[in-house]
Amino acid sequence: ETGVTQSPTHLIKTRGQQVTLRCSSQSGHNTVSWYQQALGQGPQFIFQYYREEENGRGNFPPRFSGLQFPNYSSELNVNALELDDSALYLCASSGTELNYGYTFGSGTRLTVV
Amino acid sequence: AQKVTQAQTEISVVEKEDVTLDCVYETRDTTYYLFWYKQPPSGELVFLIRRNSFDEQNEISGRYSWNFQKSTSSFNFTITASQVVDSAVYFCALREKYNFNKFYFGSGTKLNVKP
Repeated sequence: ETGVTQSPTHLIKTRGQQVTLRCSSQSGHNTVSWYQQALGQGPQFIFQYYREEENGRGNFPPRFSGLQFPNYSSELNVNALELDDSALYLCASSGTELNYGYTFGSGTRLTVV
Repeated sequence: AQKVTQAQTEISVVEKEDVTLDCVYETRDTTYYLFWYKQPPSGELVFLIRRNSFDEQNEISGRYSWNFQKSTSSFNFTITASQVVDSAVYFCALREKYNFNKFYFGSGTKLNVKP
């Protein structure tokens, strides 16, 4: 197992800019989910990708988008950044069995100024 | 509606004390899964345990134990003889059978274990 790695670890962006966060999923895991964790809160589900298709989305606007690649890597893109987008963004990968727990990465801390 | 409530925002104990973290959940599904995760300052969520809704047997793993009670929709976590290394934020989470791609997390309980 190689675990889940995310890059960069920290990022500072200006309001209105666009950002791309990257995740390398655990080998063999074809499901990846992204979560937003605001300070002092629990993670909130953004969306999930399965075999390169989005197959579930939380209450996030369309300016949050993603991609998943055949090599188990994925991206989270956020356009028109707002101050409230400042958060820890977590990537999680999972196998296909229903009751698998997810393996989470260490996250990317995004600060929007 | 699905919801996970962790009423304890922060708990402080002295090393070797026992501590229980509370979790109450809401779901309309009859089949669901409950989880506990630990989040150290480094940020990653570390998986601790998964329980299925049809298995109410309590579980013990070393100093950790979990009490699952469907009658009260609770899934509490006890650390026995706490250690400084247990200091972290702990999250309880719910995952439903027919929406398995989505976790509902509680707001977390920050545990401070002092030497």
